[in-house]
Amino acid sequence: DTGVSQNPRHKITKRGQNVTFRCDPISEHNRLYWYRQTLGQGPEFLTYFQNEAQLEKSRLLSDRFSAERPKGSFSTLEIQRTEQGDSAMYLCASRQAGDPRNEQYFGPGTRLTVT
Amino acid sequence: QKEVEQDPGPLSVPEGAIVSLNCTYSNSAFQYFMWYRQYSRKGPELLMYTYSSGNKEDGRFTAQVDKSSKYISLFIRDSQPSDSATYLCAMSEGTGNQFYFGTGTSLTVIP
Repeated sequence: DTGVSQNPRHKITKRGQNVTFRCDPISEHNRLYWYRQTLGQGPEFLTYFQNEAQLEKSRLLSDRFSAERPKGSFSTLEIQRTEQGDSAMYLCASRQAGDPRNEQYFGPGTRLTVT
Repeated sequence: QKEVEQDPGPLSVPEGAIVSLNCTYSNSAFQYFMWYRQYSRKGPELLMYTYSSGNKEDGRFTAQVDKSSKYISLFIRDSQPSDSATYLCAMSEGTGNQFYFGTGTSLTVIP
């Protein structure tokens, strides 16, 4: 078990460009979450999957954002036409349904800078 | 009003001090209460987990939940420089639901 991994760790892009981030959860975890964290703030929920089904989306997830988990394993988060306000740390977390500790295991995050 | 309020600090204490971190919340449906620790440029890691009201102790850490006051606390005894990090409270209505996080409190323990 190598934990949750995210790639890339850092991404610098120009406003208007599209970016895609990848999250590889802990292999036996069937739930996967995306959060966004800006400087000095706690993580804010964006969306989550159970297996390949996207079960909930935050109103923070505008139509420029799309997330997929095609085979119920890794997930991608794409941001189209990036804006400077999208600059943040994007965190992925996973958990196994039924875990009594209700723990979400977080990856190291992808830091996005939009110039 | 935010769902979860947390004093962002920063908090600076000498080594060995007792640290008290607190959060308040507005949603009475929250039943699961967590404290995460986040080091700079890392993802959060779970420190303590409590279901409903009560106290829970794990080594130098004690978590308290008072659902009647919608108030949770984390106490760190005999604080160490390695405890220097940002502490985030998090809450959820049920297992598997999204977490609602506080803003985090930045703690520095001075040797």
